[in-house]
Amino acid sequence: RKEVEQDPGPFNVPEGATVAFNCTYSNSASQSFFWYRQDCRKEPKLLMSVYSSGNEDGRFTAQLNRASQYISLLIRDSKLSDSATYLCVVNIGGQNFVFGPGTRLSVLP
Amino acid sequence: DAGVTQSPTHLIKTRGQQVTLRCSPKSGHDTVSWYQQALGQGPQFIFQYYEEEERQRGNFPDRFSGHQFPNYSSELNVNALLLGDSALYLCASSPDPAGGNIQYFGAGTRLSVL
Repeated sequence: RKEVEQDPGPFNVPEGATVAFNCTYSNSASQSFFWYRQDCRKEPKLLMSVYSSGNEDGRFTAQLNRASQYISLLIRDSKLSDSATYLCVVNIGGQNFVFGPGTRLSVLP
Repeated sequence: DAGVTQSPTHLIKTRGQQVTLRCSPKSGHDTVSWYQQALGQGPQFIFQYYEEEERQRGNFPDRFSGHQFPNYSSELNVNALLLGDSALYLCASSPDPAGGNIQYFGAGTRLSVL
């Protein structure tokens, strides 16, 4: 089983739609969690950290369920500019960050 | 304030050759990590440098080696290149080696091995 798994995608949604991405991790000692966004042929950029209490940043909401070892990202009112690959990232200790394979999102006009 | 910079941006090599990739971390960051990202996959951790030493290493063969200089910049060396080494190589920096800090990525070096 891979350390971090994500919905395989791709997700093709119309503008204005709500879309949710799921991520599971296998290492119960994982310490911190992030969602990164990666545009085509660009570097990953931090979208948001994920906290146990859940957190929201504008149209983006992240949730963490430690018991189920599950992370989610919800995007409301999708924009064309949200089209990208979304990477689930888990820190398993020190500076050891494990990336999921990513889920590609295409928001269609 | 310059972010993480990497050079070169693109590189073409042939099998068996050796390559050196370079990275300058974000100002104030002293920890550098290297990742390999194959097409359609997430980045895979190669190793991390702090205080000029390799602190952590992922599941990569000894053909992959690195170095960190006193100014915190870093190099990734790959010997005896294989076709499968073709990938985007990403450098990430963070402020210290303690757990949980956010990493900032450079734009990467795209390596093609022919």
